[in-house]
Amino acid sequence: DAGITQSPRHKVTETGTPVTLRCHQTENHRYMYWYRQDPGHGLRLIHYSYGVKDTDKGEVSDGYSVSRSKTEDFLLTLESATSSQTSVYFCAIRGDRDREGYGYTFGSGTRLTVV
Amino acid sequence: GENVEQHPSTLSVQEGDSAVIKCTYSDSASNYFPWYKQELGKRPQLIIDIRSNVGEKKDQRIAVTLNKTAKHFSLHITETQPEDSAVYFCAALSGSARQLTFGSGTQLTVLP
Repeated sequence: DAGITQSPRHKVTETGTPVTLRCHQTENHRYMYWYRQDPGHGLRLIHYSYGVKDTDKGEVSDGYSVSRSKTEDFLLTLESATSSQTSVYFCAIRGDRDREGYGYTFGSGTRLTVV
Repeated sequence: GENVEQHPSTLSVQEGDSAVIKCTYSDSASNYFPWYKQELGKRPQLIIDIRSNVGEKKDQRIAVTLNKTAKHFSLHITETQPEDSAVYFCAALSGSARQLTFGSGTQLTVLP
């Protein structure tokens, strides 16, 4: 499809357990992003990466960590899941703006429920 | 950092009428403004975008206008159809050009 896949698509986990979400791209894009989507809040940036091992925090990074050990994979980890982290998580990719412009391509999303 | 506000949060129009969604941004260094459409249960998809050196851009029934002085931009949809019903998000690219900040979304409903 769009060269970006997220896994898992759905997950239910218990409070206090660690959770890792995976984003995989086949576009060789430099930039990768994790957003969460909640009613009334739109899309809020959690973390992003601008290259292998180069990451930075977004506006809602507390309780989340990320890793990018290779271009194609960007992992989001909830160290100890809480009910407030119940949300839909979207990964997005973007190429080098000079060649491919600024537009994001989003993955299909992961629906995470923390009980 | 950048702050994007979007209005209205919900909008209902009759089929065939026009719809307008407005956004304001705070960072005068922002220079790229995309609009995304998200249908229920699906991923957001880019529908149109505009750069700061352009005042207006059209693509068939949709258009976007940008007023840099006032720091606001708008999405215009003409001759609305039921398939236009979706959530629409505006966004602004930060001055660092690394990440988009999104508005809170507008639920557009086109009534047949």
